[in-house]
Amino acid sequence: NAGVTQTPKFQVLKTGQSMTLQCAQDMNHNSMYWYRQDPGMGLRLIYYSASEGTTDKGEVPNGYNVSRLNKREFSLRLESAAPSQTSVYFCASSEAEKIPYGYTFGSGTRLTVV
Amino acid sequence: QKEVEQDPGPLSVPEGAIVSLNCTYSNSAFQYFMWYRQYSRKGPELLMYTYSSGNKEDGRFTAQVDKSSKYISLFIRDSQPSDSATYLCAMSFSGGYNKLIFGAGTRLAVHP
Repeated sequence: NAGVTQTPKFQVLKTGQSMTLQCAQDMNHNSMYWYRQDPGMGLRLIYYSASEGTTDKGEVPNGYNVSRLNKREFSLRLESAAPSQTSVYFCASSEAEKIPYGYTFGSGTRLTVV
Repeated sequence: QKEVEQDPGPLSVPEGAIVSLNCTYSNSAFQYFMWYRQYSRKGPELLMYTYSSGNKEDGRFTAQVDKSSKYISLFIRDSQPSDSATYLCAMSFSGGYNKLIFGAGTRLAVHP
C-alpha cells in the first residue's frame, strides 16, 4: 500500500527552466492538493483538486500550474522556475471533499532553483 | 497576521517529560482541529483530530480545544525519543470545502 507517491524526490533547476512534479495516489481518494513548505511559513496551499476534472487556486498559486490527469494523478508544473520557488513540495489526498481531516501526504519533493 | 500562529521552537525536553504544544488562531469559524506529526525528511501524518471544543485522548496524547480563547493544545505524556519530530496544527471550517490551514510547526527534541 503505497499511499501517495511523489516523483522526483530531489531536483535542482536553473532559473528559467521548467519541470513537472508528479503525484499519484492509490487510495481512490477524490481530492488532491499541492502544498509547499518553507521554514517558518508552514504548509501553504498552492492548488487543489476537489474531484477529477476540477482544479482551483490556493493561497500561493503564482508561478505554478496543475493538471488533474485522472482520479489517481495530480501534477504540478513550474513553467519558468525562480529562486523563490526553492522549497519542499508536498502532495496530499483526502477521501471526500467535505471531510475536514485525514489528509495523506507524500514524502515530498525537495526543489532547489539556482 | 497569520490565521494560525504556532511557536516554531525548537523545544528540547528530557525523556519522560510532559510536553505541551500550542497554537492560536484568529478565525472563529474554524470548527475542526488537527495535529500532524512530521519526521525529518518525511511528509506530515495525522496524529489526532477534534471537532469544536473539548478534549480528546489517545494513548499518551491529549488534544484540547478552547474556542473561547481561540487556542488549541497537544499534550504528550511520558515523552520518548521517538516523539522527536515537528508537530503541526491544522484547522478547517465546518461544511464547505475540505481545505486545511496549517501552523508553521513546532520542532520537538526528546533526549534520553
